[in-house]
Amino acid sequence: RKEVEQDPGPFNVPEGATVAFNCTYSNSASQSFFWYRQDCRKEPKLLMSVYSSGNEDGRFTAQLNRASQYISLLIRDSKLSDSATYLCVVNTANQGGKLIFGQGTELSVKP
Amino acid sequence: DAGVIQSPRHEVTEMGQEVTLRCKPISGHNSLFWYRQTMMRGLELLIYFNNNVPIDDSGMPEDRFSAKMPNASFSTLKIQPSEPRDSAVYFCASSVGGIRNTIYFGEGSWLTVV
Repeated sequence: RKEVEQDPGPFNVPEGATVAFNCTYSNSASQSFFWYRQDCRKEPKLLMSVYSSGNEDGRFTAQLNRASQYISLLIRDSKLSDSATYLCVVNTANQGGKLIFGQGTELSVKP
Repeated sequence: DAGVIQSPRHEVTEMGQEVTLRCKPISGHNSLFWYRQTMMRGLELLIYFNNNVPIDDSGMPEDRFSAKMPNASFSTLKIQPSEPRDSAVYFCASSVGGIRNTIYFGEGSWLTVV
């Protein structure tokens, strides 16, 4: 089993749609969680951290469920510019703090 | 402010040749990571350093790969000899360290081995 698993993509949605991505992690000792965004042929960049109580940044909402070892990202009112690959990332303290990336979920927002 | 700087950005080399990828982390960052990304395997951590010391190299594919960090501002990833299956994008990233660290990636080195 992979340490971090994500929904298989691609997700093809129309502008304005709401889309949700899911991610599960296998190590219960994981302590920090992030969503990164990667545009085609570019490097990954931090989208948002995920906090225990859940957090929102504009149209983006991240949720964490430690009991189920599950992370989600919700994008509301999707824009064409949201088209990218979204990477779920987990940091596990007992592994020396190394970040493990999921395979990524590709999102394509169409006009 | 300068981000993580990698070189070369693109390299095409013949099988069997030595490849050296270079990275300059963000000043003040004490953790440095080398990742490899392919369509099939996604983003894989090869090795990472804290304060110039290799902490975990379990992701290094085999002995043909080696990485060094002689000082806080420079790291190399070397492949010798290179093989076609090494073709990938190699990202260097750095962070200030700590459990909530955000890592910042360089633009990547696009390697093609023919």
